[in-house]
Amino acid sequence: DVKVTQSSRYLVKRTGEKVFLECVQDMDHENMFWYRQDPGLGLRLIYFSYDVKMKEKGDIPEGYSVSREKKERFSLILESASTNQTSMYLCASRGTGGNQPQHFGDGTRLSIL
Amino acid sequence: GQNIDQPTEMTATEGAIVQINCTYQTSGFNGLFWYQQHAGEAPTFLSYNVLDGLEEKGRFSSFLSRSKGYSYLLLKELQMKDSASYLCAVRMDSNYQLIWGAGTKLIIKP
Repeated sequence: DVKVTQSSRYLVKRTGEKVFLECVQDMDHENMFWYRQDPGLGLRLIYFSYDVKMKEKGDIPEGYSVSREKKERFSLILESASTNQTSMYLCASRGTGGNQPQHFGDGTRLSIL
Repeated sequence: GQNIDQPTEMTATEGAIVQINCTYQTSGFNGLFWYQQHAGEAPTFLSYNVLDGLEEKGRFSSFLSRSKGYSYLLLKELQMKDSASYLCAVRMDSNYQLIWGAGTKLIIKP
């Protein structure tokens, strides 16, 4: 089974802090994704990566950056956290091939005070 | 723009059948996914359709009509553990991204 592990289930930070969310997958997948999920909205893509050191902006990249130095690890960085970044953050990975599903981590519920 | 519509919430009875609809308007289409998400948990993959027709997997089936921009997820013999949100997502042409619906919260009553 694919295992996608996010570093924290719950996280509380203060406005202005730099926040790091880590994600590791164990299936040698090329593609990795960061989403945020808010009530009443679909999953919104922040950034994705299709290879080491490669990154692409999703629909809502503002205020975020990412890092992919190793294939198995994809990090999301909130440069200066703000209260409107309070959300559930989900990491996913996916192999190549059109019918391959995305596999998700358990999510990090981030609160910015 | 890209748009996916699903009902916000549905209620059904244990042992019954329920159909969750998903309609999409996207500039490209290269497959549709259904995911299940229990409260506070990660979405888990249920089914994938790329051609018209019905795909059956045990108690769950998924249908696609590309000409109508329409899919449904059919759940049979409902169990209490089927209480969850069901997410519809469309893969558009030539990229890795999925466009997600807001999800349908399914409530199962005894």
